[in-house]
Amino acid sequence: GIQVEQSPPDLILQEGANSTLRCNFSDSVNNLQWFHQNPWGQLINLFYIPSGTKQNGRLSATTVATERYSLLYISSSQTTDSGVYFCAVPNFGNEKLTFGTGTRLTIIP
Amino acid sequence: GAGVSQTPSNKVTEKGKYVELRCDPISGHTALYWYRQSLGQGPEFLIYFQGTGAADDSGLPNDRFFAVRPEGSVSTLKIQRTERGDSAVYLCASSRQMGGDTQYFGPGTRLTVL
Repeated sequence: GIQVEQSPPDLILQEGANSTLRCNFSDSVNNLQWFHQNPWGQLINLFYIPSGTKQNGRLSATTVATERYSLLYISSSQTTDSGVYFCAVPNFGNEKLTFGTGTRLTIIP
Repeated sequence: GAGVSQTPSNKVTEKGKYVELRCDPISGHTALYWYRQSLGQGPEFLIYFQGTGAADDSGLPNDRFFAVRPEGSVSTLKIQRTERGDSAVYLCASSRQMGGDTQYFGPGTRLTVL
């Protein structure tokens, strides 16, 4: 099956800093989702981004499908951004999502 | 409802017991998915439904696990003869349709098998 790796595994930043999270996948995909899992365990949809760039407030994401990676940018970090960020892709031709290894982000006041 | 709901939020049971976990998808969503998340890991696929039928159950770990969606809306994940290794958070997701659509996740049920 498809392999999904994320980097870095852990990131600790001061409030106000910017960050870039990376997601690499091993095969062609027709969609990709980014999620934020908050400290209470809820998975929150951030982006559905099979290709191109999308922005939502302080967050933006870019997927380069031909090179098999996606980037999540967080600007002006806030403590509420803390949690684990996952990317997930479907197995090609199938809708079951394979999740990446996650990036644990901690924002310090 | 506004989002996917799951009940109970927490379930503690003893080894060998039977449990049922319930998922209410977003109204009108035809596709429903179950995932399991162990501590420190990402969610792993278990099974998904398109309407009433299980389109893919390849992620179910063994025959102690079973899921139904009899009317194409609410789904129940059933675990027989629970084992300590079944302890995890069980997540449900739904999407408008199968095929390239956003999956929205519920809050999960934390299952603890003593």
